[in-house]
Amino acid sequence: RKEVEQDPGPFNVPEGATVAFNCTYSNSASQSFFWYRQDCRKEPKLLMSVYSSGNEDGRFTAQLNRASQYISLLIRDSKLSDSATYLCVVNRANDYKLSFGAGTTVTVRA
Amino acid sequence: DAMVIQNPRYQVTQFGKPVTLSCSQTLNHNVMYWYQQKSSQAPKLLFHYYDKDFNNEADTPDNFQSRRPNTSFCFLDIRSPGLGDAAMYLCATSNVAGPYNEQFFGPGTRLTVL
Repeated sequence: RKEVEQDPGPFNVPEGATVAFNCTYSNSASQSFFWYRQDCRKEPKLLMSVYSSGNEDGRFTAQLNRASQYISLLIRDSKLSDSATYLCVVNRANDYKLSFGAGTTVTVRA
Repeated sequence: DAMVIQNPRYQVTQFGKPVTLSCSQTLNHNVMYWYQQKSSQAPKLLFHYYDKDFNNEADTPDNFQSRRPNTSFCFLDIRSPGLGDAAMYLCATSNVAGPYNEQFFGPGTRLTVL
C-alpha cells in the first residue's frame, strides 16, 4: 500500500465552482500534513499546512481526520489560476522526511 | 529574497556521460534533499543531508551520488546516466527545528538523456 494515496482526477470545474478532494495516508503516527501545489513542469510550492483542527486560508480550506486517516482540501470560488496539480504530503512517522502523493489534477474552465 | 536555486534548469546529456546538478540555498536550512520526479508521479526522495550527515534511501541506485561541501550548496552526481534517468530533479530544503518541517523546493533541473 502506498504511504499517501490521492485520486488523480482530473477534476474539471467551471469558474466560481467549489471543488473538494481527499487523500489518505497509511501511517497513523504521522504528525505533519501539507498541501502543495504544482504547476505543469514547475516545482511543488507549499499551499498550506494542515492543522489538527482544520484551517482556512482565503478560498482554501484544509481538514484533517486522524481517525480515518485522510486529509481534504476544498477550494471555493474557483479561479482559472487554480488549475494545477495538488500534492498531498505527510511526514513519515517519527521522521522529518516527507511522503508525497502523486497529486490530484484540477482544471478550472471559463 | 531567501530562496533555493538550481542550475542548470535544463540539462541534456548522452547515455553514460556523467552529469552534475547543483543546488544552493539562502534559507540557512540544515537539511537539503534531492528528489527525482517523473511525469504524473510523486517526487521520489533519492537522499538528503542533515547538516553534514548523508542519508541515502534504500532504493536509490549507486549511480546517484551527492556532495554537500558547505551549508549552502549541494550537488547531485549521476555517474552514468541511462535513458530511465530522464526526469525532473528537485532540490528542497527544510529547517528540521521548525514545527511543521515544511520543505521548500528549487525550480528543478529537467534532465534529458540522449
